[in-house]
Amino acid sequence: QQQVKQSPQSLIVQKGGISIINCAYENTAFDYFPWYQQFPGKGPALLIAIRPDVSEKKEGRFTISFNKSAKQFSLHIMDSQPGDSATYFCAASTRRGSTLGRLYFGRGTQLTVWP
Amino acid sequence: DTEVTQTPKHLVMGMTNKKSLKCEQHMGHRAMYWYKQKAKKPPELMFVYSYEKLSINESVPSRFSPECPNSSLLNLHLHALQPEDSALYLCASSQIGTFAYNEQFFGPGTRLTVL
Repeated sequence: QQQVKQSPQSLIVQKGGISIINCAYENTAFDYFPWYQQFPGKGPALLIAIRPDVSEKKEGRFTISFNKSAKQFSLHIMDSQPGDSATYFCAASTRRGSTLGRLYFGRGTQLTVWP
Repeated sequence: DTEVTQTPKHLVMGMTNKKSLKCEQHMGHRAMYWYKQKAKKPPELMFVYSYEKLSINESVPSRFSPECPNSSLLNLHLHALQPEDSALYLCASSQIGTFAYNEQFFGPGTRLTVL
């Protein structure tokens, strides 16, 4: 079953606007939540990540908000730019047990930023 | 240096050919991964090597054969592939262990086409 659920599947935002992508999970053993950005024909690049001991992490225009009780986390892209147009994947992992080494990916969100 | 390199960038092969994909990292990571990615889908885990030993095989067909010659190198040997095996093959690396969060760095991928 899908361990991490991501929405929306696609997102169109005007330049300068805020892009918001949401993810939800069930497994309370998850203790690391990265976001990857992928351009066509390229490998995913680690964008930003958060651990459940903080509720927010900001790096430049990118912010992760984390709600441990709701088991949800989201990526906010402020002042979205055409160069941000890419596919974004959320993911989750745990250091415990037999799932060591696995990243559970969401299905991805295709972001298009119009100039 | 946070780079994972992969060769070749593109590969076209017939169903009877034997070829190999190569991956290299110099970040001192002790876990290396092979993923398969189809268009508009998240990466799909194939194999995980932990301390040069195969720790996860996601029931991948035997026509894919991984090899980890040392802690910096990872190969994927291909033989008798099917057209449906055409995809982007991604290599990744990370630290591993209960002390380390699963911060995976991906290479640019090899675009494989099976005719």
